Amino acid sequence: KAGVTQTPRYLIKTRGQQVTLSCSPISGHRSVSWYQQTPGQGLQFLFEYFSETQRNKGNFPGRFSGRQFSNSRSEMNVSTLELGDSALYLCASGGLAASPGGSEQFFGPGTRLTVL
Amino acid sequence: DAKTTQPNSMESNEEEPVHLPCNHSTISGTDYIHWYRQLPSQGPEYVIHGLTSNVNNRMASLAIAEDRKSSTLILHRATLRDAAVYYCILRAFNNNNDMRFGAGTRLTVKP
Repeated sequence: KAGVTQTPRYLIKTRGQQVTLSCSPISGHRSVSWYQQTPGQGLQFLFEYFSETQRNKGNFPGRFSGRQFSNSRSEMNVSTLELGDSALYLCASGGLAASPGGSEQFFGPGTRLTVL
Repeated sequence: DAKTTQPNSMESNEEEPVHLPCNHSTISGTDYIHWYRQLPSQGPEYVIHGLTSNVNNRMASLAIAEDRKSSTLILHRATLRDAAVYYCILRAFNNNNDMRFGAGTRLTVKP
């Protein structure tokens, strides 16, 4: 089974620009979660999509948005980039919560975004 | 959200057991204890999870205290490839796949 893929792997943008990151989950998985990882704040939950609907949202400004398509692929968008948005953006895919306490999450390798 | 507390770092010798502790004194009765680890330059990967009873899988064992206020991840024979940041996370029974990570424990394995 192919793993979670994220594109692009590396990206350099300048302040004020916008960026779109893509995540393809494991085949059959309907949940996609996004996380931001920085040295200062660690891993922080951004949002989760399930069957094209946003189910949960973390504490991030409205500049961060996302969507999920009918094939479960997901994109996240960051508008008006700031220097502090430089981070590793990770997505995770999960199947149905077949067991209580949440299904196992499978993470992609991440997209390294640098904002200059 | 219930919080977890882990030591910032730990060291181990190769081929020796490692016990990684996690405190979660505000855990609720329906919270599951999950462990993930993040190897250098990779996304996190699932290690193990449990509710009340101790759990074993091919990667590790999870020992849960009787009052569930703490747990310990046990790597039976550490290898150099086990060097990673280990995260202890609480997830509610009906958790919708949003995981709240703490700072984790950075494990160094010495040859």
